[in-house]
Amino acid sequence: AQSVAQPEDQVNVAEGNPLTVKCTYSVSGNPYLFWYVQYPNRGLQFLLKYITGDNLVKGSYGFEAEFNKSQTSFHLKKPSALVSDSALYFCAVRDGLFSGGYNKLIFGAGTRLAVHP
Amino acid sequence: KAGVTQTPRYLIKTRGQQVTLSCSPISGHRSVSWYQQTPGQGLQFLFEYFSETQRNKGNFPGRFSGRQFSNSRSEMNVSTLELGDSALYLCASSSQLTGTNYGYTFGSGTRLTVV
Repeated sequence: AQSVAQPEDQVNVAEGNPLTVKCTYSVSGNPYLFWYVQYPNRGLQFLLKYITGDNLVKGSYGFEAEFNKSQTSFHLKKPSALVSDSALYFCAVRDGLFSGGYNKLIFGAGTRLAVHP
Repeated sequence: KAGVTQTPRYLIKTRGQQVTLSCSPISGHRSVSWYQQTPGQGLQFLFEYFSETQRNKGNFPGRFSGRQFSNSRSEMNVSTLELGDSALYLCASSSQLTGTNYGYTFGSGTRLTVV
């Protein structure tokens, strides 16, 4: 079965410092991976996705993610954190047609990012 | 273009009642998925509809049901509400075209509180 793990409940970083939010996955076949961000009392906002191609994916708001097949990881990164980046971040994998799951996302537990001034 | 619209934004219901939530996807999108978000269980898949047909269903009791209309708008219904049904219910819209889109756009959610 497809799954994703976000090993950190919370990540703390100082404003201006680089940030990394970790995600590892377990899939059969090629992974379709996503990062979403959620602000309080809001839905999920799409940041970026990896389907195929370059291992470094650039997304919204200056975020990027590195797909590493050998380590089955898809860590989210940003070179310089902002206080406004403080939010809940979710990694997800698509349970796609190849496994009979059709159009379904499987989410990690989420990581709370706190950026301190 | 307009995003995914979920109504209502907030609901308070009493145990034993039923509730209907609505989701209007992005124009042209034919796939609508529903997710439940709770602090304890995180984000869990409820079901997915495509062209008025339920294609996939998560591990939820039969009290949770849904449907999709010919204009792709979707509703989900929860009957005989329990306290544990209190959650943020999120709807996701996808074009589900062949190719490499695979994009999912979420609505702002409906916050359901069962008292």
